[in-house]
Amino acid sequence: DIQMTQSPSTLSASVGDRVTITCRASQSISSWLAWYQQKPGKAPKLLIYKASSLESGVPSRFSGSGSGTEFTLTISSLQPDDFATYYCQQYNSYGWTFGQGTKVEIK
Amino acid sequence: QVQLVESGGGVVQPGGSLRLSCAASGFTFSSYGMHWVRQAPGKGLEWVAFIRYDGSNKYYADSVKGRFTISRDNSKNTLYLQMNSLRAEDTAVYYCAKETLDYWGQGTLVTVSS
Repeated sequence: DIQMTQSPSTLSASVGDRVTITCRASQSISSWLAWYQQKPGKAPKLLIYKASSLESGVPSRFSGSGSGTEFTLTISSLQPDDFATYYCQQYNSYGWTFGQGTKVEIK
Repeated sequence: QVQLVESGGGVVQPGGSLRLSCAASGFTFSSYGMHWVRQAPGKGLEWVAFIRYDGSNKYYADSVKGRFTISRDNSKNTLYLQMNSLRAEDTAVYYCAKETLDYWGQGTLVTVSS
């Protein structure tokens, strides 16, 4: 199975900060990577698919990049609504796997 | 609009069984594969199972293989997850999600406890 490792596990930041989260795959997944945002008690929300494609309705301050085994999610200017937990997820092979999550906290 | 509504969660004893349902609306259910994803309390997301649009192929996480069965009834626009031999570690909120994981239900809580 493909393992996904996110870093950091927790991130403290302020409104307006540029934030970057990294996700590494244990083997190449081409660009078959998605990013999700989850708030407490809610279902995950798709932000980015195919590594860098922005889901409809998602603010343009979110962007994704990478291919192969290393990927990043960037929030260009952190907003109050962005404090949440973020997950990467690979869908290169049958056996979808998620990263362990990155919690973005208020500094 | 797309709606996915899970039901069937509850408290069950270790070794017991439970069947979850996911009622779909707002899209052509029979044209899309469907997933079950779970989240243990305070933990991350874990993919559980996937079924192709016509039920022809099913895929499972190793942690549930042989115990859980995913199925669907396209005439009823409903997805199912039959869970047998339940363990404490199966305690989680279970979400159903559309093929590309762009739409999710609100989740249903399964608690395995004596």
